[in-house]
Amino acid sequence: EAGVTQFPSHSVIEKGQTVTLRCDPISGHDNLYWYRRVMGKEIKFLLHFVKESKQDESGMPNNRFLAERTGGTYSTLKVQPAELEDSGVYFCASSQRTSAGELFFGEGSRLTVL
Amino acid sequence: AQSVAQPEDQVNVAEGNPLTVKCTYSVSGNPYLFWYVQYPNRGLQFLLKYITGDNLVKGSYGFEAEFNKSQTSFHLKKPSALVSDSALYFCAVRGTGFQKLVFGTGTRLLVSP
Repeated sequence: EAGVTQFPSHSVIEKGQTVTLRCDPISGHDNLYWYRRVMGKEIKFLLHFVKESKQDESGMPNNRFLAERTGGTYSTLKVQPAELEDSGVYFCASSQRTSAGELFFGEGSRLTVL
Repeated sequence: AQSVAQPEDQVNVAEGNPLTVKCTYSVSGNPYLFWYVQYPNRGLQFLLKYITGDNLVKGSYGFEAEFNKSQTSFHLKKPSALVSDSALYFCAVRGTGFQKLVFGTGTRLLVSP
């Protein structure tokens, strides 16, 4: 069974540019989450999809971040325009529809904004 | 609000010795507790979880964790450390219902030969 896959693994962009990160969850997992880790800090929650609906987007930093999950399959996270403080590792995770279930994480997309 | 504290940035232990990585939490209601490990240039891997039942939970790679409700702790332990256990360890908590999983800042474990 394929795990959670994320693309790209590393992206280097200049301030003001746009970047789109993609996440393919494990097949059949209704729940999809985006998290971010800035160097040395905790892994912070960004948002949670249940199928194609946003269940909780309380962690999205501001309106420069836009997440979509069309059709309830893969998800994209767009940052436009990128700022220096957006640098970090963006993790995607998926889980089955149970609150006690563990999350399965992708390997992350490292974003560097220069 | 949920929160997790991992008081140690780094834990150093010699191979063969027991290890403990500390975690305390705050959550409303009954907690669901998790430990994840991150090896260099890899994603987070699930190690173990506590949902209910026995306070001592066993997980992958010989790790275990003890849930202590009165101390609101969920420390990760292993009786005999391996050099290959060196990695970044994250504790996480979620309350009942579909609340978000909240992570600590991580503890780097360094096992020396």
